Amino acid sequence: AQSVTQLDSHVSVSEGTPVLLRCNYSSSYSPSLFWYVQHPNKGLQLLLKYTSAATLVKGINGFEAEFKKSETSFHLTKPSAHMSDAAEYFCVVSDGAGTALIFGKGTTLSVSS
Amino acid sequence: DTAVSQTPKYLVTQMGNDKSIKCEQNLGHDTMYWYKQDSKKFLKIMFSYNNKELIINETVPNRFSPKSPDKAHLNLHINSLELGDSAVYFCASSQEGTGDWGSPLHFGNGTRLTVT
Repeated sequence: AQSVTQLDSHVSVSEGTPVLLRCNYSSSYSPSLFWYVQHPNKGLQLLLKYTSAATLVKGINGFEAEFKKSETSFHLTKPSAHMSDAAEYFCVVSDGAGTALIFGKGTTLSVSS
Repeated sequence: DTAVSQTPKYLVTQMGNDKSIKCEQNLGHDTMYWYKQDSKKFLKIMFSYNNKELIINETVPNRFSPKSPDKAHLNLHINSLELGDSAVYFCASSQEGTGDWGSPLHFGNGTRLTVT
């Protein structure tokens, strides 16, 4: 069975400092992994995805994530936070076995000036 | 040129009523979905349709029924609304399968349903 755990429900950073949002997954197969962002009163938008190609995945808005199979992790990072990055972030896993995507419970990112 | 649009944006209704939420996508995608997001922002899939055929039903109450008149539309009809149905409902679409082969989901902006 597949599952995903976002280790922090809330992360607060200052503008210009690095961002780290942590995600661990469990999957019986080679998983596909995604990060989505949700701004207030908006739908979710894909940030990046991993599908067994390069382990370091670059996404939009300067975000990237690294797939580490040995650690079953897919943490999201950004070198320098911007105020507009404040949002809810979801880590998502799929094992490609025809089952539905599984969403993590989300991490709220707050950015202060 | 909104990719996935759903209406209404807000829906306030009383218990026992029947309501519908409409969703349309202009991306030419094969699969459409309905997700429910609760007050803690937890997202759970409710249904997906591929070429007008239901392929996932996550044991939601049968008061909820998806209706897909064509590949570009997937509406959600809810009978006998209950307080616990209050949530934000998101429509989404993807190019292939259930989005689990790397095909990303494209979401609508959500419908906030409040049952009083």
